[in-house]
Amino acid sequence: NAGVTQTPKFQVLKTGQSMTLQCAQDMNHNSMYWYRQDPGMGLRLIYYSASEGTTDKGEVPNGYNVSRLNKREFSLRLESAAPSQTSVYFCASSQGLAGHTQYFGPGTRLTVL
Amino acid sequence: TQLLEQSPQFLSIQEGENLTVYCNSSSVFSSLQWYRQEPGEGPVLLVTVVTGGEVKKLKRLTFQFGDARKDSSLHITAAQPGDTGLYLCAGVNNNDMRFGAGTRLTVKP
Repeated sequence: NAGVTQTPKFQVLKTGQSMTLQCAQDMNHNSMYWYRQDPGMGLRLIYYSASEGTTDKGEVPNGYNVSRLNKREFSLRLESAAPSQTSVYFCASSQGLAGHTQYFGPGTRLTVL
Repeated sequence: TQLLEQSPQFLSIQEGENLTVYCNSSSVFSSLQWYRQEPGEGPVLLVTVVTGGEVKKLKRLTFQFGDARKDSSLHITAAQPGDTGLYLCAGVNNNDMRFGAGTRLTVKP
């Protein structure tokens, strides 16, 4: 089992460009999450999907959109990237919502110039 | 302002020393989780504590949940270089989970 996979691993964008971060899990988990991690700020939740077909905003959703494509895949889209979105992005999955063990992917390091 | 404050922010010690890191909040949590994150990787769950006053041991790591379920500590005995990493606590309430900023631990051989 690969667990949680994320692509790409690194990305550099110019301000205003768009991109989609991909995430897939092979653990048959119901819930999936997107976080960003910035120095001194810890992990902050952008969006989550409690189950296939549902998505909800987290703590810092502005500037992002998500799609729960199926039970395995959860993508994060930046429509018009800004330097403030420079960060490391982590996808995670769990059997249920908060309180269950979350399994994280290896992260995507995004730089917006 | 972080919901969960972790201290110290950075800690550098020699192999064999003992250490304690803290996770504090003014909020009450139904449970609290500790994760360790190594460079270039995602966090990995170490433990979940649920009951106030609960103590859990994982080899040389001892986790304690405060009696009021607002704080937690992680004690490492005889630290080893393999313990190096970012230690994150996460407080859970209903369907909301919030992470602290972490303690970055370096254990020098």
